[in-house]
Amino acid sequence: ETGVTQTPRHLVMGMTNKKSLKCEQHLGHNAMYWYKQSAKKPLELMFVYNFKEQTENNSVPSRFSPECPNSSHLFLHLHTLQPEDSALYLCASSQLRGDQETQYFGPGTRLLVL
Amino acid sequence: KQEVTQIPAALSVPEGENLVLNCSFTDSAIYNLQWFRQDPGKGLTSLLLIQSSQREQTSGRLNASLDKSSGRSTLYIAASQPGDSATYLCAVRGGSEKLVFGKGTKLTVNP
Repeated sequence: ETGVTQTPRHLVMGMTNKKSLKCEQHLGHNAMYWYKQSAKKPLELMFVYNFKEQTENNSVPSRFSPECPNSSHLFLHLHTLQPEDSALYLCASSQLRGDQETQYFGPGTRLLVL
Repeated sequence: KQEVTQIPAALSVPEGENLVLNCSFTDSAIYNLQWFRQDPGKGLTSLLLIQSSQREQTSGRLNASLDKSSGRSTLYIAASQPGDSATYLCAVRGGSEKLVFGKGTKLTVNP
């Protein structure tokens, strides 16, 4: 499989559930990202991992917990979410190399919190 | 704080028409600017990346320009086709790995 893959593609969960989103990149990149895309709002960066180390946490609530066990895998652990957390969650990866970096995106996980 | 604005929010054109999408950003200290395409419910596909030292990039029927001093970029699509229908997103990268996105322009090309 090539590119950036995400599972599951769709997820419905209650506010008391715990679930995890998974992202895998097959591009040999050294940086991975989580983004949130809500209706009528710009794409928002949530977390950045550079060589497995978290380099950015964009003021994300603690009910979202990222994990990056290696440079190819990224998880987003979810617990006690709110209905306003319903959105498309996109994972991306890139090879950091100055100003020519391009981010490659996965297809996203459509999350609905009831 | 960098802010990116895209105008118009939505655009509907007949097939074959040439069109321009606009992007503006508030902080001209950028490393690069990218245009992405997003189909409904899908991830983003990178179309063009313009480095801060460049003025334009071309790929097929797409041409993107960058005027860093005025904080503007345009995406020109020639001879539009129904398959070009999608949301087009502009994003700028500053001094970190962080991309700042606009809200996008939803393009509909009618047969």
